[in-house]
Amino acid sequence: NAGVTQTPKFQVLKTGQSMTLQCAQDMNHNSMYWYRQDPGMGLRLIYYSASEGTTDKGEVPNGYNVSRLNKREFSLRLESAAPSQTSVYFCASTPYFRTGDIQYFGAGTRLSVL
Amino acid sequence: QQQVKQSPQSLIVQKGGISIINCAYENTAFDYFPWYQQFPGKGPALLIAIRPDVSEKKEGRFTISFNKSAKQFSLHIMDSQPGDSATYFCAAPPPQGGSEKLVFGKGTKLTVNP
Repeated sequence: NAGVTQTPKFQVLKTGQSMTLQCAQDMNHNSMYWYRQDPGMGLRLIYYSASEGTTDKGEVPNGYNVSRLNKREFSLRLESAAPSQTSVYFCASTPYFRTGDIQYFGAGTRLSVL
Repeated sequence: QQQVKQSPQSLIVQKGGISIINCAYENTAFDYFPWYQQFPGKGPALLIAIRPDVSEKKEGRFTISFNKSAKQFSLHIMDSQPGDSATYFCAAPPPQGGSEKLVFGKGTKLTVNP
């Protein structure tokens, strides 16, 4: 059982380039999330999808777009990458969008924007 | 917007010692406070969580203590082991409750020396 799978694991971009981070879960979870993790900043929510067909902004959505492709997949797109987006990105999922559900995280995508 | 203040930022403990990490929150409609553990190069994973109407939760060497009046909760690791070396994140639900939009603390990097 793979859980939450993120691709790619590492990526280096030049300023202005675009890319899409992929996330897929095989636990039949309804809700999915994208976080970024920066040193000393903890985990900050970028976007989330409470259920298939819905997406909403989190704490730091500027510069990002998301797509909930189907129940399994939730992608994060950087249209024009900036050095400030250098970070480690984590995707997570929960069975439902309710307080108390365990968040299952992927292994992360380490992104550097030069 | 929920704020979660976590301290200390880093902690060094000798093997066999007690590790204590503290968190303070502002408001929440639902008393659910999880702790996530993250090893280098991995995604966070739920370690232990405390739910409503309970002031303490113990699982093996890990204990959460909750002080509702002070709006504080803490993680105690007894008999700390080198294998406990990781970054620990506390989290709290949003003030309005009813969702899984957890707000994470900034993390504590724990090092347990042999």
